[in-house]
Amino acid sequence: DAGVTQSPTHLIKTRGQQVTLRCSPKSGHDTVSWYQQALGQGPQFIFQYYEEEERQRGNFPDRFSGHQFPNYSSELNVNALLLGDSALYLCASSLGVGRLYEQYFGPGTRLTVT
Amino acid sequence: RKEVEQDPGPFNVPEGATVAFNCTYSNSASQSFFWYRQDCRKEPKLLMSVYSSGNEDGRFTAQLNRASQYISLLIRDSKLSDSATYLCVVNGLNTGFQKLVFGTGTRLLVSP
Repeated sequence: DAGVTQSPTHLIKTRGQQVTLRCSPKSGHDTVSWYQQALGQGPQFIFQYYEEEERQRGNFPDRFSGHQFPNYSSELNVNALLLGDSALYLCASSLGVGRLYEQYFGPGTRLTVT
Repeated sequence: RKEVEQDPGPFNVPEGATVAFNCTYSNSASQSFFWYRQDCRKEPKLLMSVYSSGNEDGRFTAQLNRASQYISLLIRDSKLSDSATYLCVVNGLNTGFQKLVFGTGTRLLVSP
């Protein structure tokens, strides 16, 4: 049973550049959520995708955008990168969007902005 | 005030000890609660969901007190492998959708 996978594992970008991170949900899951985790902090919710639409969004600027594909995989795009965007980006999948559904995380993409 | 607050620790305990973590949340409308475990530079892993009646999974017991808006996690007979950061997580919405809000985590160090 394949778990949540993310690519790439690590990424180094320069300020002002754009980045795309990818996520494949756990087999059988249809909902993908993205989180940003800065060093020493808990993950912060960015947004959630279900049925190829953004359903919920956290307090992140429009520079952060996403997409979900018909096979339920998802991308996170960040434009005009800032130094403060350096973090571990986590994708989590769940079956449905209900509040009782447990979310399972992928290994994350560590983004460094220089 | 943060939506979810935890004591960052670290909690240093010997093997075999019992240790308890507490967490408070501010949104009284929250409906679901979880404990996740995170090892250094790894992803969070679901440890257990927390139910109103309290629940137990082996050495781990979770309790929810809605009146006081706090959640607890009790670990009995600590093992070296329990050393990790424990994240308290609350679903911040009372709608049909999820928006998980994480605490900053409590670090546990179990020593021989």
